[in-house]
Amino acid sequence: ETGVTQTPRHLVMGMTNKKSLKCEQHLGHNAMYWYKQSAKKPLELMFVYSLEERVENNSVPSRFSPECPNSSHLFLHLHTLQPEDSALYLCASSRGGSTNEKLFFGSGTQLSVL
Amino acid sequence: DQQVKQNSPSLSVQEGRISILNCDYTNSMFDYFLWYKKYPAEGPTFLISISSIKDKNEDGRFTVFLNKSAKHLSLHIVPSQPGDSAVYFCAASRGNFGNEKLTFGTGTRLTIIP
Repeated sequence: ETGVTQTPRHLVMGMTNKKSLKCEQHLGHNAMYWYKQSAKKPLELMFVYSLEERVENNSVPSRFSPECPNSSHLFLHLHTLQPEDSALYLCASSRGGSTNEKLFFGSGTQLSVL
Repeated sequence: DQQVKQNSPSLSVQEGRISILNCDYTNSMFDYFLWYKKYPAEGPTFLISISSIKDKNEDGRFTVFLNKSAKHLSLHIVPSQPGDSAVYFCAASRGNFGNEKLTFGTGTRLTIIP
């Protein structure tokens, strides 16, 4: 399998639930990202990991907690979310270490918070 | 404040004609620009990019033009094909800060009419 794989593709959760989104990249990249896409809004960068260290945290609420156990895997742990957190969550990867790299995206997890 | 703007949410073009998608930016520090294409239920995929030292970059049917003085870039697709129907995102970065600072527009949905 190649590319960036995200699971699950769809997730419905209540505000008191705890769930996790998973991302796996098979491209040998060193940098991984979480983006959020809400309806009629630009893609918003949430977190960046480079060589498993978090290098960017874009003022994201603490109810979103990322984890990068190795350069191939990235998780987004969710707890006590709000309905406005419903969105498409996209994982991406890049080679890392140089500027102007293109991102490779997964298909995303469509999250609905009830 | 949106630094990358795609003012046309949608565009319809006859098959075989030219599609022109526009993007404006406000941050004069941006020096690298990308276009991504997104099909339903898939993540965005990289299409074409341009550095601020150029005013044109061409790749097959796709050409990106950059007008730095107007802070405007456009993507031309010619001839347009039904498979080009997708959402197109413009993105910009400050190259010296690396890909972590990629800023996206809201996207333009292109529909190619057979």
